Parts: sequence; structure tokens; C-alpha cells
Amino acid sequence: GDSVTQMEGPVTLSEEAFLTINCTYTATGYPSLFWYVQYPGEGLQLLLKATKADDKGSNKGFEATYRKETTSFHLEKGSVQVSDSAVYFCALSDRPTGGFKTIFGAGTRLFVKA
Amino acid sequence: GAGVSQSPSNKVTEKGKDVELRCDPISGHTALYWYRQSLGQGLEFLIYFQGNSAPDKSGLPSDRFSAERTGGSVSTLTIQRTQQEDSAVYLCASSDRAGTDTQYFGPGTRLTVL
Repeated sequence: GDSVTQMEGPVTLSEEAFLTINCTYTATGYPSLFWYVQYPGEGLQLLLKATKADDKGSNKGFEATYRKETTSFHLEKGSVQVSDSAVYFCALSDRPTGGFKTIFGAGTRLFVKA
Repeated sequence: GAGVSQSPSNKVTEKGKDVELRCDPISGHTALYWYRQSLGQGLEFLIYFQGNSAPDKSGLPSDRFSAERTGGSVSTLTIQRTQQEDSAVYLCASSDRAGTDTQYFGPGTRLTVL
């Protein structure tokens, strides 16, 4: 079945460091891919998404490129801030072969130190 | 407009009791999802509603769990004869179309079974 694997955390970085959070997936169809973020004390919210191969999603300085050849959707940011400390979830929606549910990864907690 | 709302925000119950969790999706959203987030875990898909179609119940962990969506809007997740392993945050999300579109999450209901 469909699945999402993302790097285990926690990830601890200093402010202005480069961030990569790896995400790979398995899917039988042509999924849409998402990164959701959960800031401390807040609900999940969409960070960015890509709906087809080679698309790049971007938001708030974060980027992720849909790589079908490597089945990956790694999240990157060139210079992290303390305010980026949160839990990041990679997810896929494999419609129609996977039905309509969204499969989430286990989440990666990011700590950014000042 | 208003986002997704859930009630109660916190629920403490005794083992063996039944609980009902409520979700009010964003007005006009036809798709509604329930997820469970256990401590330190990712999101576990429970059930999905889309318009008047039969719900996708494939994620419900046991027959003690059920959900309904009345009038295509409000949804109730019911857990019968609660067990301690049911303790988790239950998240509801809605989207205006299934699959590729962004899901908007509610703040969740934290359930504690003593």
C-alpha cells in the first residue's frame, strides 16, 4: 500500500543554518505531495504542495521538489529561524488508486537555536 | 470565514465509557476527514466522507469506532467502551474537494481515558 517515510527527528540546528528534511514515498498511482507544519500549541496547516512530477512547492522560504524518479519530496530551507521550530509532516494523496485518504509520515521535529 | 472547529477541546473519561467527538467543517467543504495523533506519533487516518458517497472507513481501528456526517456538514466520531489505548488527539480536517486539495485542520480533541 501507499506509504510515506521521513527522517526521524529531532533535528536541531542553529539559526541561519541550512535545513533538509528527507521524505520518500511509495504509491501505485500519481500522488499529490504535501508538507504540513504543526507549530507549538497550534493545529496542522499546509506549508506547501506539489501535484505532479517536477513541480516545486514553495512557501515561507521553504521549498520541495516532486521527484518521481527518486520518489522523493525533500523539504529544504536555506536559512532557518527560531520561529521555524515545529513538527513537519510529509504526506501524499494518491487519488484515485489510493482512495481519497491522505497518508502522513511520522513527523520530524525541528528545533532551531538562537 | 470560520475555520474547522472541534468540540470538546479536551475530554477525560473512564475506561469503558462511550464518548462523542464533534467536528464542524468549513462551510461548503464537501470532504471531511478524521485522524488520530497519538503521543509522539504521526497522523493515523480513521475515516473519510465525501459528499453523499459512502464513507471510506478503512482506517477505523476496531468496531468500537464509528462516525457519521449529518446533512453533509457536521460529523460525530463515536468511540464505544473506551480503552486506555484510545487516548490521543483526534483531528478533523475538511477540504473543498477530495484528494489534491488542501486540508484544513481543526484544533483537535485531546482524549484521555483513565
